[in-house]
Amino acid sequence: EAGVAQSPRYKIIEKRQSVAFWCNPISGHATLYWYQQILGQGPKLLIQFQNNGVVDDSQLPKDRFSAERLKGVDSTLKIQPAKLEDSAVYLCASSLDQLYNEQFFGPGTRLTVL
Amino acid sequence: GNSVTQMEGPVTLSEEAFLTINCTYTATGYPSLFWYVQYPGEGLQLLLKATKADDKGSNKGFEATYRKETTSFHLEKGSVQVSDSAVYFCALSDRTGANSKLTFGKGITLSVRP
Repeated sequence: EAGVAQSPRYKIIEKRQSVAFWCNPISGHATLYWYQQILGQGPKLLIQFQNNGVVDDSQLPKDRFSAERLKGVDSTLKIQPAKLEDSAVYLCASSLDQLYNEQFFGPGTRLTVL
Repeated sequence: GNSVTQMEGPVTLSEEAFLTINCTYTATGYPSLFWYVQYPGEGLQLLLKATKADDKGSNKGFEATYRKETTSFHLEKGSVQVSDSAVYFCALSDRTGANSKLTFGKGITLSVRP
């Protein structure tokens, strides 16, 4: 079975520029998560989708970050405008549903903001 | 709020040495507990889990027991191998409500030398 796919794997931008990340979850997984992992820290949840609805976006900096999952499958995470402190690895994960199921993680996108 | 505390790293061991990585947590209710592993260049993978007090999770020779009285979930392995070199994350998932997000510790890097 194919795993969670993410692209790009690496991105370097200058501050105040925009960037978008894409995630394709495992087929049939209803729940999709975006995490931010800053160097030396554990991943932190940014947003959780159940199908195409948002379950939790309490830690998403909504003034600059946005995410969507329009058809309940693929998802995009956007940062506009980027700040230096947004440099991190952005991880996408999916699970069958939101009830205590194992989360499967993609390889992540490493973002560097200069 | 929920939090996970891991012992400071990094940890360097010789092959066949005994491994203990400490993890304690703070949570409301009765969370599920997890250990995730991140091998170099790869995404996070679930190593083992426990969903209630006194449960023991095990996989690939690793074990961890859910200790409610000490709010701990320490990871152990009797004889480490070079291939166990990776970053290890302790995490919890709150079992209340529809939100199943993972709260991670900072992670600890394990290096095993031949």
